Formats: sequence, C-alpha cells, structure tokens
Amino acid sequence: QSVLTQPPSVSGAPGQRVTISCTGSSSNIGAGYDVHWYQQLPGTAPKLLIYGNSNRPSGVPDRFSGSKSGTSASLAITGLQAEDEADYYCQSYDSSLSASYVFGTGTKVTVL
Amino acid sequence: QVQLQESGPGLVKPSQTLSLTCTVSGGSISSGGYYWSWIRQHPGKGLEWIGYIYYSGSTYYNPSLKSRVTISVDTSKNQFSLKLSSVTAADTAVYYCARGIPAGGEYYFDYWGQGTLVTVSS
Repeated sequence: QSVLTQPPSVSGAPGQRVTISCTGSSSNIGAGYDVHWYQQLPGTAPKLLIYGNSNRPSGVPDRFSGSKSGTSASLAITGLQAEDEADYYCQSYDSSLSASYVFGTGTKVTVL
Repeated sequence: QVQLQESGPGLVKPSQTLSLTCTVSGGSISSGGYYWSWIRQHPGKGLEWIGYIYYSGSTYYNPSLKSRVTISVDTSKNQFSLKLSSVTAADTAVYYCARGIPAGGEYYFDYWGQGTLVTVSS
C-alpha cells in the first residue's frame, strides 16, 4: 500500500485543464522531500514529466506543470490533448522506519 | 542518449530465484553520479521501487524486499543485475531498470528500460 495517495481517475475535454493531487504525510512530502511526476502511456515504460516539484525536462511541453505545498503536490495539465491520455504517478522519498523511495497510487487521465 | 535494456527469463518457478540484467548504452556506469535502479509494476497496478546500486557497489534496498534482493554491478560490461530469491506468484510483475539522478539527497528516475514481464508459475 503506497504512502502517496492519488485520485484513481480524472477526466476532461480537449483543451480543458485538469489537476492531479498527490497526498503524503510528514515523513515524505511534508518532510521537505521533492516530488517528481511520471507519465505512463499504455503498454510503455514510465517517462519523467516533472522533477524537483516543478521542473520540466527538456522536451516536455509547458502544458505540464507541478507544484508542492505542505504534505501535498499537484500536477496540472492545461490545454488537454488526446495524447495526454495515460497513467500519471508521483514519486518521493519516505523517511519513516521503512525508509524507501515511494510512488503514488497512480491516476488515469481520460480525454473525453 | 542513454538507453537501458532488461534481459532475463520471462518465467520463473515458485521458490526459485529471479535473475535479470540491465545493459546500459550511451553512457558509462563507472563514470559515477547516478544510481542504477530496479522498479517493478504488478499487472494493472502501481510502481514499486526495489533498490539501487552505485558504480562503487554500494546498494540500498526497499526494506519490504531487502531479505530477498541482491543487486550487483559489472562495470566492465556496463551492466547491473537483480536477483530476487524465494519468489512467489506475488512477484509476477513487469520489471524495469532505470537511472536515478540524485537531487537534494534523494533521487528521481530519468531514463527507463522498456520493461520485462516476469511470471512466477510452475
């Protein structure tokens, strides 16, 4: 069971804005550890989308943005496109007794 | 461009040891600075970090798997490997190798292999 909770699904029409939350606790996001986001298209490996809470790797469209506050983080997709239909995962570090790198539960984005 | 490619048996019998190798191209493991990792994804489920190895051989494992996991590196072949012992059906998953970039004391994964499905079944 992941320590980072995401909504199972979000949806939006083309051109709309959707946001995905990633809720953690005082032993991970709230402890100051960075949050990173990955996009997983059907049948493919995850791809780095956002690193260090809000930074985009080269080649990632600026439609994708990330933010972090307190014990949570968010990924926003503006101007939603059909090609954005995928699973999205947040990732951070958890410093609890079972210290480990952890991923969120994952969110399926559907473009209506 | 860095590329990673997993290889190994796609079928393992229960109680045996799962063994996978990740071959890195486009960059040298021995150049340092990165943490070479294994991550798995159970069918239709989320991602689970297994562990990493540095080029020097130092390792760090997920506590929930630590008793069964060994990650090793062969810098001469630019490869690193995963061994998971005493497997059960619960270890059936797609296994990914990935490169970890350190950031503020922890790290994130910038390059991933395509993944390989390992099924545990008799």
